Amino acid sequence: QKEVEQNSGPLSVPEGAIASLNCTYSDRGSQSFFWYRQYSGKSPELIMFIYSNGDKEDGRFTAQLNKASQYVSLLIRDSQPSDSATYLCAVDRGSTLGRLYFGRGTQLTVWP
Amino acid sequence: KAGVTQTPRYLIKTRGQQVTLSCSPISGHRSVSWYQQTPGQGLQFLFEYFSETQRNKGNFPGRFSGRQFSNSRSEMNVSTLELGDSALYLCASSFPLAGEQETQYFGPGTRLLVL
Repeated sequence: QKEVEQNSGPLSVPEGAIASLNCTYSDRGSQSFFWYRQYSGKSPELIMFIYSNGDKEDGRFTAQLNKASQYVSLLIRDSQPSDSATYLCAVDRGSTLGRLYFGRGTQLTVWP
Repeated sequence: KAGVTQTPRYLIKTRGQQVTLSCSPISGHRSVSWYQQTPGQGLQFLFEYFSETQRNKGNFPGRFSGRQFSNSRSEMNVSTLELGDSALYLCASSFPLAGEQETQYFGPGTRLLVL
């Protein structure tokens, strides 16, 4: 079982729609969860982090965490073509110093 | 505040050569983590340094090594390059505080091509 799994995608949504990105993780002791956005040919850029159960909102982005289900998601409201990128879910297990465990990413395309 | 910087940004080497990549973390950050990213394997953890000490190491051969200096700048070295070492090498810096999440910020990466 992989440490972090993401819905494989690619995901395609029209402009203005809600994009939903999902991630599950295997280590129940994981403490912190991150979403990164990576444009083609660029490095990952941090969008949000969450470490408490529930929702966390930042602008058009909402991260949701359910530790009982070992599930974390990212919702992008009012999706824009500029949101087209690969979204990486990363997990900090808390016991592995300096190491984040990354999913393979979900490629999102927002079409006008 | 300036972000993470990496040099060089692009590099072309031939098999058997060695290469050194450099990373300067965000000012005040003391932890530097290195990752290799390839289309086939995604992001894979190489190692992490904190206060000049390697705290964690991923599952890479000994040809991959690193170090950190007293100013928190870090270098990684790959000796005897192989074609499969072609990848985007990313470093990420963080300011780990006990009991808090370790948020990592990535540099632009060094794209290495081995011919």
